[in-house]
Amino acid sequence: SAVISQKPSRDICQRGTSLTIQCQVDSQVTMMFWYRQQPGQSLTLIATANQGSEATYESGFVIDKFPISRPNLTFSTLTVSNMSPEDSSIYLCSCRQEIYNEQFFGPGTRLTVL
Amino acid sequence: GQQLNQSPQSMFIQEGEDVSMNCTSSSIFNTWLWYKQDPGEGPVLLIALYKAGELTSNGRLTAQFGITRKDSFLNISASIPSDVGIYFCAGQLKETSGSRLTFGEGTQLTVNP
Repeated sequence: SAVISQKPSRDICQRGTSLTIQCQVDSQVTMMFWYRQQPGQSLTLIATANQGSEATYESGFVIDKFPISRPNLTFSTLTVSNMSPEDSSIYLCSCRQEIYNEQFFGPGTRLTVL
Repeated sequence: GQQLNQSPQSMFIQEGEDVSMNCTSSSIFNTWLWYKQDPGEGPVLLIALYKAGELTSNGRLTAQFGITRKDSFLNISASIPSDVGIYFCAGQLKETSGSRLTFGEGTQLTVNP
């Protein structure tokens, strides 16, 4: 299995500001993902973070709002830009090795936007 | 798109009882995964299933990959208070979905001591 850490674990932000969430995996992984989980809801995939190229975004999510970086095989960042209260959610980093179909999750970042 | 129907949405049981929850899909999957999420935490992988008909156990947990590849169930035997949490199923069809997981809506389990 892979151990994933995220920073920050939680934050309270003002409307209009941006927050960058960091994700670190303890081993090299092929695939990294970012999810959003709104209160009482299931997980929604934001994008697949591709190493060395632009992230692949799901319908309803755009790069200008959620820029993603993945400089290497163990690290990724997600930025939530120009935040509004509707962005209040838990943001989860996830990873998977291509040869396995097991996918692991970080502890999440709980974001509150005032 | 693919949809997963997970049921029941919530369960309230007494300690010691057995629990069963299931997921059904409109599409076939190659992999089924079951996760548990505690409050304030990320989902933790419980069981992974890779073959139609596969039955896999992990302690008091047992999960099966349906023979049609469109469903899966998770059983918890002799429940204890720490089983409380939200259980999610997730399916993956690698060939057509770009390796994305599709998640069920979750089953909220409450265990009364």
